[in-house]
Amino acid sequence: EVQLVESGGGLVQPGGSLRLSCAASGFTFSSYEMNWVRQAPGKGLEWVSYISSSGSTIYYADSVKGRFTISRDNAKNSLYLQMNSLRAEDTAVYYCARVTGWLFTDYWGQGTLVTVSS
Amino acid sequence: EIVMTQSPATLSVSPGERATLSCRASQSVSSNLAWYQQKPGQAPRLLIYGASTRATGIPARFSGSGSGTEFTLTISSLQSEDFAVYYCQQYNNWPLGFGGGTKVEIK
Repeated sequence: EVQLVESGGGLVQPGGSLRLSCAASGFTFSSYEMNWVRQAPGKGLEWVSYISSSGSTIYYADSVKGRFTISRDNAKNSLYLQMNSLRAEDTAVYYCARVTGWLFTDYWGQGTLVTVSS
Repeated sequence: EIVMTQSPATLSVSPGERATLSCRASQSVSSNLAWYQQKPGQAPRLLIYGASTRATGIPARFSGSGSGTEFTLTISSLQSEDFAVYYCQQYNNWPLGFGGGTKVEIK
């Protein structure tokens, strides 16, 4: 069974940093591309970042470019999102999601809540 | 950037009735369009990919159609568990983009 478990969310002050993790199991993690997708409270889904299976190709949404860094450790079956210079508008549930070869998402974690507030 | 627009924002339907949801792309995304269902407090679930292919385990009452810029998700006979928010997503171009969602509520 595919499982994606996010952790690392919490309350952080504006300008602060947070590192999210996603532990993957039930599939060959190193063979799959991954996304981070977020959802602000009461709002829709917003794609945040993508990383290829090897980590050699990375994309970011303009809203987070230069502030967020996606990475992965295939030996540990883990995906990460380093978030710096956080803003109130980054407040959201952050989902880790498995990407198929055609770039749609087939499995999602349950999400971790990030709240940016003073 | 491709903008995805869903309509209506809210759809009120009685159980057993048909629901038709629309998704429009600001430029062609070919058939690279997926639909997701999200219930309150839960993660999204993949329903349809390639505009019309049902994901594993998705009931046949869910069907998708369209290509290019106009897409439709049809739920042929709404069941109680189908009341949720539905999102379309294009994966033809970067950045990946989601529509704003359609909430299907009980009439």
